Parts: sequence; C-alpha cells; structure tokens
Amino acid sequence: DTEVTQTPKHLVMGMTNKKSLKCEQHMGHRAMYWYKQKAKKPPELMFVYSYEKLSINESVPSRFSPECPNSSLLNLHLHALQPEDSALYLCASSRSGAGGNYEQYFGPGTRLTVT
Amino acid sequence: GNSVTQMEGPVTLSEEAFLTINCTYTATGYPSLFWYVQYPGEGLQLLLKATKADDKGSNKGFEATYRKETTSFHLEKGSVQVSDSAVYFCALRNAGGTSYGKLTFGQGTILTVHP
Repeated sequence: DTEVTQTPKHLVMGMTNKKSLKCEQHMGHRAMYWYKQKAKKPPELMFVYSYEKLSINESVPSRFSPECPNSSLLNLHLHALQPEDSALYLCASSRSGAGGNYEQYFGPGTRLTVT
Repeated sequence: GNSVTQMEGPVTLSEEAFLTINCTYTATGYPSLFWYVQYPGEGLQLLLKATKADDKGSNKGFEATYRKETTSFHLEKGSVQVSDSAVYFCALRNAGGTSYGKLTFGQGTILTVHP
C-alpha cells in the first residue's frame, strides 16, 4: 500500500479564520513533506519532517505552522492567510529524509481557497 | 545546485502516436531520477524511477533511461491513449548532506491526447 491520505479535499476560508490540513500515511515512512502547488506549476517545497523533527523550513511565512504529532501524521495549521495563498497543498512521504534516494509518495492534495 | 529542464509544452498528440518528453538535469553526485504524472484535479503519482546510470525505469508502457553521459532522462511511450492526458514532471533527488531528500522538479509538460 503506497497511499497518503489528505483531508479535507477542498477548503474555503476567510482571511481571519484558523483551519488545519491533515495528512496521514501508514507505510512506516519516516520523512514527511508539505508542498504548495499553483496552477500549471511544479510543487514548491514548504517543510520537511524527518523522524518527527522539523528538518527544513523553506522560509515559509509564519501564518503556516506545521506539526508532526507522530510518525504517521502531519498537520498544517493555517491562520490569517492571504488570497495569494490559495493553491493546492500536497503532502508527501518517503522512507527516509537524509540519506538514500527514496521516492516520495504524494497525497491527492487539499484545494485551498482564501477569500 | 540541482536543476531539471523539461521540454516546453504543451504537447498534443493523436491516440496511438509515439511520445517523447525530454528531460535534462544538472546535479552533483549521483542523484535518483523520477517521472511523476498529475491527472486533472489530483495529486502527483510516481510513474517511474531510476537510481543509477543506465537504469531503465518502466511502468504502464512508459520508459525512461538514466543517461549520465548526456545528463538526460527522457520519457517515452510507444502508443499513447486519451487516458494519458496529464501533466508530467521530471524530478531528481540527491541523497545525503542537509538536503533531506529534497526533490527538484522540472517545470512540467502538459500532454493532451486526442482520439
């Protein structure tokens, strides 16, 4: 099973709202990733967790706050977003982070619209 | 640094035509190379991979060979179907250091196949 699940599938939120995106995998992977994807563009890396510790933050604004409660779960907390943050948010996981060129498996994404 | 360059799209073909999408890369060391496919409204799916020079990745009739001498990983399919219409991303991943397995993507190639 190479499935990464994400909820919700769609999310509409106002600029003053607080919401969270959720990602789950049960492949025993120890690295998990958040990406942001704008239409017709490749995904842009936001955060990497390796063994439940934040390893990479690609200078993402603080209105995005990641959390990794355990090795299977990854959350992205959203607060005071801007309309330009509207995008497809993708979660991915891989067998490891540093070391080994393992492939990443992606979830279906959450389509976020900020009004 | 690492970079991936894909042929410019969009690419439009008739069903049963031969497909080539060119991908070249720049990287230090010995990266792994991947092709991902994204169908409309979905996340990225791993299509195939190659982890060392002269490896051939294959899946669902698609093939790509890791050519270190030309730093290329071109995607081919002998006979495309309407259902192959999607966006195709070439990507590389370098192990080790502090990269934490970061994926570097090409800009994506939109493929449309007509009946």
